[in-house]
Amino acid sequence: AQSVSQHNHHVILSEAASLELGCNYSYGGTVNLFWYVQYPGQHLQLLLKYFSGDPLVKGIKGFEAEFIKSKFSFNLRKPSVQWSDTAEYFCAVTPNYGGSQGNLIFGKGTKLSVKP
Amino acid sequence: DVKVTQSSRYLVKRTGEKVFLECVQDMDHENMFWYRQDPGLGLRLIYFSYDVKMKEKGDIPEGYSVSREKKERFSLILESASTNQTSMYLCASSLGRPNEKLFFGSGTQLSVL
Repeated sequence: AQSVSQHNHHVILSEAASLELGCNYSYGGTVNLFWYVQYPGQHLQLLLKYFSGDPLVKGIKGFEAEFIKSKFSFNLRKPSVQWSDTAEYFCAVTPNYGGSQGNLIFGKGTKLSVKP
Repeated sequence: DVKVTQSSRYLVKRTGEKVFLECVQDMDHENMFWYRQDPGLGLRLIYFSYDVKMKEKGDIPEGYSVSREKKERFSLILESASTNQTSMYLCASSLGRPNEKLFFGSGTQLSVL
């Protein structure tokens, strides 16, 4: 079965620190990749997505992610975090099976706590 | 903006009760999904639907069923609630290509006692 691994369960950073959250997936074929974010008390929302083209994807609020096909990875980055980035972050993958898409497979999530 | 509305934010039910969780979206999306979210386990897909009257099992359908009689409404049914179904339930919808972007509701925290 396909799977998505997020390396860190809980990350604690001070404001202005740089962030990198790891995400690896297990499917060997073509994939679409996503990062979703859930701020405290709010619904899940899309942060950024990769379907094709430039493997460096920019999303909302200064986040970016890089797709490295050879490493089956899609790590999320932000150069300087803010207290308002405190949230839970979910990596998700959609495998492409010969032209038809499977459903989203989510990782277990990474909680980010940013200290003011 | 797309709005996905879940009927209850918190629910407390007894073991063995039949439970209905309702979800309505207002943007004419074809695709609707039910997930459960548990700490340390992420989101797991229970059921999904790509059209009215259509339903497909996700990764953990056991103990659940769904109903989609109208395009905008997708109901999750727990036929006989059990304590291991205590969880946060999330409804989501999307337009067109199934997984380009999911819009989520705020969730229903269900406690089964």
